[in-house]
Amino acid sequence: AQSVTQLGSHVSVSEGALVLLRCNYSSSVPPYLFWYVQYPNQGLQLLLKYTSAATLVKGINGFEAEFKKSETSFHLTKPSAHMSDAAEYFCAVSTKGNDMRFGAGTRLTVKP
Amino acid sequence: ETGVTQSPTHLIKTRGQQVTLRCSSQSGHNTVSWYQQALGQGPQFIFQYYREEENGRGNFPPRFSGLQFPNYSSELNVNALELDDSALYLCASRPTTRRDIYNEQFFGPGTRLTVL
Repeated sequence: AQSVTQLGSHVSVSEGALVLLRCNYSSSVPPYLFWYVQYPNQGLQLLLKYTSAATLVKGINGFEAEFKKSETSFHLTKPSAHMSDAAEYFCAVSTKGNDMRFGAGTRLTVKP
Repeated sequence: ETGVTQSPTHLIKTRGQQVTLRCSSQSGHNTVSWYQQALGQGPQFIFQYYREEENGRGNFPPRFSGLQFPNYSSELNVNALELDDSALYLCASRPTTRRDIYNEQFFGPGTRLTVL
């Protein structure tokens, strides 16, 4: 069975600083990996996904993530945080034909 | 193109009651999944429907049941509501063409259920 672990339930950065949200996965077969963002009282919006093509994946709003098989990681980064990036971020894993498993989430706070 | 829609937006029930939540999948999407997101947690997979049949289930008791209709819309039914059933219920749809191809799923805005 596949699973993900998000390291850090809460991350706080200053506006303009680097954003780094950590995600490690566990899967017995090649995984598909995703990052979603959730704003208060809203559903999930896909930021980016890894589906076995390029290991460096670029998403919306300036976010990107790198798939590292040797480290079983899929960390999310953004070079410069913006106030509008404040939200809850979820890492998720899936395999062919199977359901999606989410991490517990990381709340990102951006300080002015 | 209309995205995934869910109704109602909010719902308040009392313990022991039954509830039905509805989801209209995105056009052309034949697979629907339901998730429960408790406050402060990540979404937990409840079950998935494909061609009107359940074809995957998470660790939820049988009082959580569902239906998928010929137009691919779906219902989630929960019987004998418990306080811990209070959560945001998310529906997601995706097209399933071949099992060896993963197609991204799209989420609806959710239904917030409160059990008193």
